[in-house]
Formats: sequence, C-alpha cells, structure tokens
Amino acid sequence: AQTVTQSQPEMSVQEAETVTLSCTYDTSENNYYLFWYKQPPSRQMILVIRQEAYKQQNATENRFSVNFQKAAKSFSLKISDSQLGDTAMYFCAFMFYTGNQFYFGTGTSLTVIP
Amino acid sequence: EAQVTQNPRYLITVTGKKLTVTCSQNMNHEYMSWYRQDPGLGLRQIYYSMNVEVTDKGDVPEGYKVSRKEKRNFPLILESPSPNQTSLYFCASSADRADTQYFGPGTRLTVL
Repeated sequence: AQTVTQSQPEMSVQEAETVTLSCTYDTSENNYYLFWYKQPPSRQMILVIRQEAYKQQNATENRFSVNFQKAAKSFSLKISDSQLGDTAMYFCAFMFYTGNQFYFGTGTSLTVIP
Repeated sequence: EAQVTQNPRYLITVTGKKLTVTCSQNMNHEYMSWYRQDPGLGLRQIYYSMNVEVTDKGDVPEGYKVSRKEKRNFPLILESPSPNQTSLYFCASSADRADTQYFGPGTRLTVL
C-alpha cells in the first residue's frame, strides 16, 4: 500500500501567525496527485488544495499554499495569517496518476490560539 | 444544493446483525468512495466506484460489500458486523477520480 506520513500529530499556532504542516509520501511513480483536506470539529471534510506532480509550480489557494519538493517526496501545507476557523484536523492524501485509489495520512490536529 | 447524504448518521448495533449505510449524491458524479476513519489511522478507503456497476476494493475491504446500481447511490453493506468495524464512516463523490471529493456528514457506527 502507498504510504503517506504526517509526522506531526498535533500542532498549535497563534492567530495571525503562519504555520507549516508536513507530509511525506513514498512512491516510485513519477506522476500522481497530492491533496490536503481539512476536517473541522463539524467533521465535514473539505478540500483545501490540490497539486499535480508534473506541475512544478506550487499550488496556492488564498492563505493556503504548498511547498512541493518532488525529489524529497515532500508536500507541506503552509497556512498564512491563521484564523480561528482554521482549527481542524488536516489530512494529506495521494493518488496515482493512473490509479483510482486514495491514500490518506494519519492527520495533523491544528489548533489556532486566540 | 449540491450534497452527499448518508443515513443513518448514528447507529448502534450488535455483532452479526446485517446493516446498510446509504449514500446518495445529487451532483451526477462518476466517482464514489467509502472511507473509515479511526483515531491514529486517518482515513482508509474501503471501496470505490468509477461508475455504475464498476466497483473495486480499497485498502480495507474485508467485511464490507458495496453496490452501484444507480449513479447517485452507493450503499455500504456490512453482512455480519463485528466490533472491529466500530468506526466513523464517510461516503464521498467526485466528478472524476482525481477531482475534488465531496464528503458526506459521516456515520458513527458502534458494533457491540
């Protein structure tokens, strides 16, 4: 099975500060998709950002951006100007370009402190 | 409103009593999937479906069945539930396999 590792089970950040969540994955394939999903206390899963491995440019969505290091197999999520509503569990996920199956990491619980 | 619905939201049952968790989406999505979420393990894919009558196993399919007779519905069936299937279950759908997945609200299942 594909391995996606999130080494930080819990993190906290002060409101308005910047935080980076780490994600590494293990694959010998060259083309794949990477995702970050957010699960707030409501349990509703929401896509935060998506990256295609063949694109060198890092994906950005408003205050959320990724640092995609393909050679290092790293896909970290940076949240700028953290807001209380960013408090959630964050999951990194992987899908092979030619596959149909999703692989999720174990999640990082982020708390934004007022 | 575009959404994925799951029923029931909460279920407590006993070992061996067959149950079905329904999942329905109103977005005409091709791809549908079931996940279970357990503390410390994240989400693990149980089954997925690329289209009507096309289903395949994910990482943890043992003890589960699915069917995709209609595009909008993707029920999860536990023929003989066991306590190790106590978990939080999510259904999700997307227009295509690598597109944004829209998740249902989750079903909290407890098997005694």
